[in-house]
Amino acid sequence: QLQLQESGPGLVKPSETLSLTCTVSGGSISSRSYYWGWIRQPPGKGLEWIGSFLYSGSTFYNPSLKSRVTISVDTSKNQFSLRLSSVTAADTAVYYCARRSSGYLYFDYWGQGTLVTVSS
Amino acid sequence: QSALTQPASVSGSPGQSITISCTGTSRDVGGYNYVSWYQQHPGKVPKLMIYDVSNRPSGASNRFSGSKSGNTASLTISGLQAEDEADYHCSSYTSSSTWVFGVGTKLTVL
Repeated sequence: QLQLQESGPGLVKPSETLSLTCTVSGGSISSRSYYWGWIRQPPGKGLEWIGSFLYSGSTFYNPSLKSRVTISVDTSKNQFSLRLSSVTAADTAVYYCARRSSGYLYFDYWGQGTLVTVSS
Repeated sequence: QSALTQPASVSGSPGQSITISCTGTSRDVGGYNYVSWYQQHPGKVPKLMIYDVSNRPSGASNRFSGSKSGNTASLTISGLQAEDEADYHCSSYTSSSTWVFGVGTKLTVL
């Protein structure tokens, strides 16, 4: 059974860089059959797609976040990571990692989510 | 990219049917049959209920159905049950090879 688990600091100071990792079990992130990515949800608000990648393929980012976002991969640990720089209070959210199957345009597996608060 | 427009809230009594709308543009909802709907109970992970406008994944109740007309997609829940009370989010693929979500709709079962 596929499982995704987010991890990282729950508190980040303004202007610093938010870093999260998604550990995947029950599936390989190096498979060309799946895209992996990040989605966030500010408290009490809707979902926002951050970005997705296909291993050894393209990476796509939300245009509104593109200048601050980097998604990277560590296949040795079957993990992928999110870095969001120059954070502000507006970046406070529950961050989810998620998967979609190649050729399908919806997200079928999600992690449990992790709350990141931006505050001094 | 701007979030898709959804009503903030809808309500209905048990047994009734409700419809939630999701309005975008020709660059997203209107341009592709790649609208999906997610159900989210408080504190829980979003769950896929509809994909590609009107398809149900295995495990999703057949009381849930989806449709689209022009730039507006709709989710209909028939035979409303107490367990359907949740937030509902629409999502669409876009012409920029990105995804955009709606602002979310809170469904209250009276």
